[in-house]
Amino acid sequence: DVKVTQSSRYLVKRTGEKVFLECVQDMDHENMFWYRQDPGLGLRLIYFSYDVKMKEKGDIPEGYSVSREKKERFSLILESASTNQTSMYLCASSSGGGDYGYTFGSGTRLTVV
Amino acid sequence: GESVGLHLPTLSVQEGDNSIINCAYSNSASDYFIWYKQESGKGPQFIIDIRSNMDKRQGQRVTVLLNKTVKHLSLQIAATQPGDSAVYFCAERSNNFNKFYFGSGTKLNVKP
Repeated sequence: DVKVTQSSRYLVKRTGEKVFLECVQDMDHENMFWYRQDPGLGLRLIYFSYDVKMKEKGDIPEGYSVSREKKERFSLILESASTNQTSMYLCASSSGGGDYGYTFGSGTRLTVV
Repeated sequence: GESVGLHLPTLSVQEGDNSIINCAYSNSASDYFIWYKQESGKGPQFIIDIRSNMDKRQGQRVTVLLNKTVKHLSLQIAATQPGDSAVYFCAERSNNFNKFYFGSGTKLNVKP
């Protein structure tokens, strides 16, 4: 069964901490994405990557960075966590053509206190 | 940018009834649409897709209808079951073929 695996289901971090959210896919997909999901706002794209070492900003990149050193792994970094970054974070991957859309991970619920 | 919206944030149906979830999209050039289901504590899962050259596509108990004239998408679930309770999202593929835009979701509650 193909999978997108997010390393943590729940995280609690303090304001100002540097936070790493890890995502690994086993489908050899070219494209990987990070979204955050908030009630009433739906899924908002933070960053995406079409290839190794390549990254592009999504709609809400402020306060975030990403790293893709290997094809299967896409990391989201919160340089200095703030309370307004408390959210559900979803990682997704897709094949080059985008058919069948994205395969999502189960999400990481991050709370910043 | 594009926007994908849903008419009803919450829908309650009786078990065994049919459910219809609606979605409006704004980009007439979008060529591909997907419905996702998200159960509590899980990531969204693919349910069914439809390309812009089609009006209707059927799966197992689900049907997606596409009306390009009014830029409207709907998901019909036949004989709704308790296991169908979830949040349902529509997504449209933009001109950038790798990128999808998502609606905010409709929560489906199935009453026994």
